[in-house]
Amino acid sequence: AQTVTQSQPEMSVQEAETVTLSCTYDTSENNYYLFWYKQPPSRQMILVIRQEAYKQQNATENRFSVNFQKAAKSFSLKISDSQLGDTAMYFCAFMKPFIQGAQKLVFGQGTRLTINP
Amino acid sequence: GAVVSQHPSRVICKSGTSVKIECRSLDFQATTMFWYRQFPKKSLMLMATSNEGSKATYEQGVEKDKFLINHASLTLSTLTVTSAHPEDSSFYICSARAPGTNEQFFGPGTRLTVL
Repeated sequence: AQTVTQSQPEMSVQEAETVTLSCTYDTSENNYYLFWYKQPPSRQMILVIRQEAYKQQNATENRFSVNFQKAAKSFSLKISDSQLGDTAMYFCAFMKPFIQGAQKLVFGQGTRLTINP
Repeated sequence: GAVVSQHPSRVICKSGTSVKIECRSLDFQATTMFWYRQFPKKSLMLMATSNEGSKATYEQGVEKDKFLINHASLTLSTLTVTSAHPEDSSFYICSARAPGTNEQFFGPGTRLTVL
């Protein structure tokens, strides 16, 4: 079974700083998807960024980028120029390919990120 | 973007009663919906996968007779917590997947409190 580990329960940085959240996973699959979700105090889950394992290029979405190291099974999220609105719980998640079934998301434990003014 | 709604957003009930939570995909047809449970300051735990027109697939350790799931149409799945007890108090979140995609769109969640 796949597992996802986020080793940083909490992080705190000053506004405008860059912060990196770590995530490692364990799988025997060669192709899969990885996601970072944000859950602000409203508790609405919001997709931040996704990565397909067969793509070597790291995904980027504006201030958010990932460092995907497939051999190391590592998938960290970098937030540049952090903003107060980035304060949230961040979850790393793993999903098997579409053809292999119902595509369950396996979530990590989460990292609580606080951006301080 | 795709929108998923949940109703109610909050519910308080007495121990022993049953509570139904609805999950709707508003602007797309969802062949598959998922139900999660989230305890305070914890991660999301998948309870079951709901496929339109067929029985739900429950995760290990989730009581299917306790958490009844019905996916009667391509836009609606319901979770009924039967004979609720205080330990069932939690935050329940649904998500929906559009056909041919790998992305799940999440509802805003339902906070259940059983007294």
